[in-house]
Amino acid sequence: AQSVTQPDIHITVSEGASLELRCNYSYGATPYLFWYVQSPGQGLQLLLKYFSGDTLVQGIKGFEAEFKRSQSSFNLRKPSVHWSDAAEYFCASETGANNLFFGTGTRLTVIP
Amino acid sequence: DSGVTQTPKHLITATGQRVTLRCSPRSGDLSVYWYQQSLDQGLQFLIQYYNGEERAKGNILERFSAQQFPDLHSELNLSSLELGDSALYFCASSVAGRVSGELFFGEGSRLTVL
Repeated sequence: AQSVTQPDIHITVSEGASLELRCNYSYGATPYLFWYVQSPGQGLQLLLKYFSGDTLVQGIKGFEAEFKRSQSSFNLRKPSVHWSDAAEYFCASETGANNLFFGTGTRLTVIP
Repeated sequence: DSGVTQTPKHLITATGQRVTLRCSPRSGDLSVYWYQQSLDQGLQFLIQYYNGEERAKGNILERFSAQQFPDLHSELNLSSLELGDSALYFCASSVAGRVSGELFFGEGSRLTVL
């Protein structure tokens, strides 16, 4: 069965530091992969998505993600974190069943 | 602002009761998706409608039902409520019938069952 794993429940980084949030997928074929962000009290917002082609995907708010088939990973990165990036981040996959399968999320805390 | 409107934002009710959550999608979007977010289950897909027709079904309980009306707004009906139904219910919309496009999420309806 398809699944998406986010191994880190909570990550704390200092403002200005780099960030990498991990996501691993489990599916035979290459799924469509997404990263969404949920700010406190808000709905989810799409950061970026990967369908095929270039394995390095650029998103909004300075985020990027790299698809690595050999590692079944789709990690989210940002070179310099801002305090406003504090939120919950969800990796998700869609494998043809026309719904998004979300990971359990990673909560990001940014300290000054 | 995603353009997706959900009402009510907060709802407190008792076990055994029935509630209706409403969602107005973005203008022009034909698909509506319902998700449940709880601490123990995370984000779970419930059901999708596309232009008034049910398109996909996820982990939706038989006590729950949904529909999409001709004006494309959708309602999620939850009946015989149990304590475990307490959760944040999100509606999302998209232009197309597949999630491979971008989903736009509302701010959610927080249901508390006492």
